Amino acid sequence: QQPVQSPQAVILREGEDAVINCSSSKALYSVHWYRQKHGEAPIFLMILLKGGEQKGHDKISASFNEKKQQSSLYLTASQLSYSGTYFCGTDYRDDKIIFGKGTRLHILP
Amino acid sequence: DAGVTQSPTHLIKTRGQQVTLRCSPKSGHDTVSWYQQALGQGPQFIFQYYEEEERQRGNFPDRFSGHQFPNYSSELNVNALLLGDSALYLCASSLGIGSNQPQHFGDGTRLSIL
Repeated sequence: QQPVQSPQAVILREGEDAVINCSSSKALYSVHWYRQKHGEAPIFLMILLKGGEQKGHDKISASFNEKKQQSSLYLTASQLSYSGTYFCGTDYRDDKIIFGKGTRLHILP
Repeated sequence: DAGVTQSPTHLIKTRGQQVTLRCSPKSGHDTVSWYQQALGQGPQFIFQYYEEEERQRGNFPDRFSGHQFPNYSSELNVNALLLGDSALYLCASSLGIGSNQPQHFGDGTRLSIL
């Protein structure tokens, strides 16, 4: 039931865009996105709910394709502060959030 | 506004011992979830507490148990420690048990088993 994230790692230059994908083999109720920097706690970025409602930050966008059971996180005009590991967490309407293995994002100046 | 606080920050134990980790939720939150994060992996859900009861549980053995107090703080207890229990243990709090609420994580407790 663990969601699959892709890519596993990505290196960008400051100002470039990135897309991180999260796929599930089961029907999703909600998808959570978090960013974790080395040695720090995961920080909430966004929740996407079945039916289209989103809760999150202004500078980050995401999509939720219910039919394909996929979510994508879009980081535009990346900044150095975007570096870290991004986790998607999926909920199958049982209030347990199952996290993927993460996508490591490194931004170069 | 105090965020999620966990104690201790680091802990070293030996195999077979028992450990108790503590968590105080963010002000205004009533639900606490515990996660185990191995190096290079995503957080794995252990269990969730709401209204002082365990509401959901992940795929962890009974050696892992918990408690929630009337002030919403929580403890995670692990008995008969194994080498494989070495990990970062994260506590997250939220408002209510619905999955449509953001989870706020603490900085974690780094547990090392020798």
